[in-house]
Amino acid sequence: KQEVTQIPAALSVPEGENLVLNCSFTDSAIYNLQWFRQDPGKGLTSLLLIQSSQREQTSGRLNASLDKSSGRSTLYIAASQPGDSATYLCAVPSGGYQKVTFGIGTKLQVIP
Amino acid sequence: DAGVTQSPTHLIKTRGQQVTLRCSPKSGHDTVSWYQQALGQGPQFIFQYYEEEERQRGNFPDRFSGHQFPNYSSELNVNALLLGDSALYLCASRSGLAGGPGQYFGPGTRLTVT
Repeated sequence: KQEVTQIPAALSVPEGENLVLNCSFTDSAIYNLQWFRQDPGKGLTSLLLIQSSQREQTSGRLNASLDKSSGRSTLYIAASQPGDSATYLCAVPSGGYQKVTFGIGTKLQVIP
Repeated sequence: DAGVTQSPTHLIKTRGQQVTLRCSPKSGHDTVSWYQQALGQGPQFIFQYYEEEERQRGNFPDRFSGHQFPNYSSELNVNALLLGDSALYLCASRSGLAGGPGQYFGPGTRLTVT
């Protein structure tokens, strides 16, 4: 059974800081790994998708890395802004029908 | 492209009632999955539909049932509602069952059971 853990559960940083969010998973037989953003009471917005054969993906100030063998992924946010405040979720599809298992998320607050 | 759409946006029901939530997948997608997200938790997988059949199911009771139509849209039905069913229900779509890009999520339906 796939289990996904995200550390830290919450993070508060001053504007402009670079930060790293961590995601670990127990079953390395994954198809890909996706990072999502969720604003309070809203749905999920996909940020980055890393295929199992890739090591990292970049989009603007965001960079996600994947180490499948160790069951870890990191989301790096450069020069954080107050608008980055949200919950960040890591999601991993595994198994024959790619059932997606989510972490509980990291709640990020960027202070102006 | 409208992406994944869900209706209604919000819903308030009474304990014991039944509810139906609807989802239209992103254009070109044929696989629909449903997730329940309780407050402060990550989304939990309910079930997945492909070719109008339930292909995989998470750890949810039979009160939760679904359907997929020939146009790939889907419904989630919950019978005998409990207070604990209050959550954000998310629909996700993708193309096919294996490989390829990740899932696209809809905005969700907020269900409140009183």
